[in-house]
Amino acid sequence: DQQVKQNSPSLSVQEGRISILNCDYTNSMFDYFLWYKKYPAEGPTFLISISSIKDKNEDGRFTVFLNKSAKHLSLHIVPSQPGDSAVYFCAAGGTTSGTYKYIFGTGTRLKVLA
Amino acid sequence: EAGVAQSPRYKIIEKRQSVAFWCNPISGHATLYWYQQILGQGPKLLIQFQNNGVVDDSQLPKDRFSAERLKGVDSTLKIQPAKLEDSAVYLCASSPGPTTDTQYFGPGTRLTVL
Repeated sequence: DQQVKQNSPSLSVQEGRISILNCDYTNSMFDYFLWYKKYPAEGPTFLISISSIKDKNEDGRFTVFLNKSAKHLSLHIVPSQPGDSAVYFCAAGGTTSGTYKYIFGTGTRLKVLA
Repeated sequence: EAGVAQSPRYKIIEKRQSVAFWCNPISGHATLYWYQQILGQGPKLLIQFQNNGVVDDSQLPKDRFSAERLKGVDSTLKIQPAKLEDSAVYLCASSPGPTTDTQYFGPGTRLTVL
């Protein structure tokens, strides 16, 4: 039972255009969401977060949108750059059995074409 | 500020052998996590420490995996005996606290079990 899903394993975008990465979750108890970027042979690097009390958070070229009713969040990268090519993971956080933990999606590999 | 350190970066062993991984979290971070990331999947939480106490080890295969965090700083994760399906990247992460705080990841240890 996968609670956090990233249904697109890969995405290719032209440099300068918008990249949209999607993430769906099933459990309404999740109240905080993170996006990570991962380059090969490196650990995931934190990118941006959003609390369930908000529907948008922006940081430079990166914006995360949260639609609680649809249990859906998306990461927008504008404009996309070749250096953005990486695997992107979303993570949903909530309390289960008295412990706060994050559940990660399977990742989307973004390729930005020059 | 130094990041999360892990060693070794790579390890190749034969099945039924033992292996140990080491992690040094960001200074001052009370919460430490060990994740297992199998190829093509997102990170899966194995164990979470708050200072030197375990707060969640529900997904740790306790018949072969063990972990400790002596003195609430460094941590070691051990596998004994290893199985082929243990081949994965083992990621250590730390955060200031146990709730919505962002988790910061180390570079990971890639384990190959032959």
